[in-house]
Amino acid sequence: SYVLTQPPSVSVAPGKTARITCGGNNIGSKSVHWYQQKPGQAPVLVIYYDSDRPSGIPERFSGSNSGNTATLTISRVEAGDEADYYCQVWDSSSDSWVFGGGTKLTVL
Amino acid sequence: QVQLQESGPGLVKPSETLSLTCTVSGGSISSYYWSWIRQPAGKGLEWIGRIYTSGSTNYNPSLKSRVTMSVDTSKNQFSLKLSSVTAADTAVYYCARGLSSGSYQDYWGQGTLVTVSS
Repeated sequence: SYVLTQPPSVSVAPGKTARITCGGNNIGSKSVHWYQQKPGQAPVLVIYYDSDRPSGIPERFSGSNSGNTATLTISRVEAGDEADYYCQVWDSSSDSWVFGGGTKLTVL
Repeated sequence: QVQLQESGPGLVKPSETLSLTCTVSGGSISSYYWSWIRQPAGKGLEWIGRIYTSGSTNYNPSLKSRVTMSVDTSKNQFSLKLSSVTAADTAVYYCARGLSSGSYQDYWGQGTLVTVSS
């Protein structure tokens, strides 16, 4: 089955840029969605179809996808961005959704 | 505003069947893909499966032998049954909506904790 690999943790200072990667075999050929999850809450969609942003999500959140890596970029990081982030793709070979292992973003 | 609410027993005995229902309010259940996703404490998200309102299903290959999903459009509900549970099935279970086959989940329930223990 398809595997998505995320770094377990990323740390960034307030006001700086955080980049969270999601690796997968030829992931650039798939559509990647990103979710933010804060403690005790359900996940919230922050990026869909690689780089689109739902209404209500700040422009500081952006996404890209090419080759074997998709990236969620958070600019001008704020304390409120501290959360777990998950990437997701549809694996057509097994007809199933696949999530990455998640990345804990820590704001220093 | 669409809302999803999971319901069902919070405690299930080992080897028994876990049963959960998700009730959709604020919108129709028709013409969407409805997923179940779970998350053990301190761990990541695991997709369990989904059902379309026609009744067609897709399941996680690793759980397929134990999972059954159904939908009741008259009640705006869909359900999950997971058989032969063990402690490894202890998790927060979420229901969520997908707009189309390859689309993201745009609405999620708040989640319900199911503990497998004797």
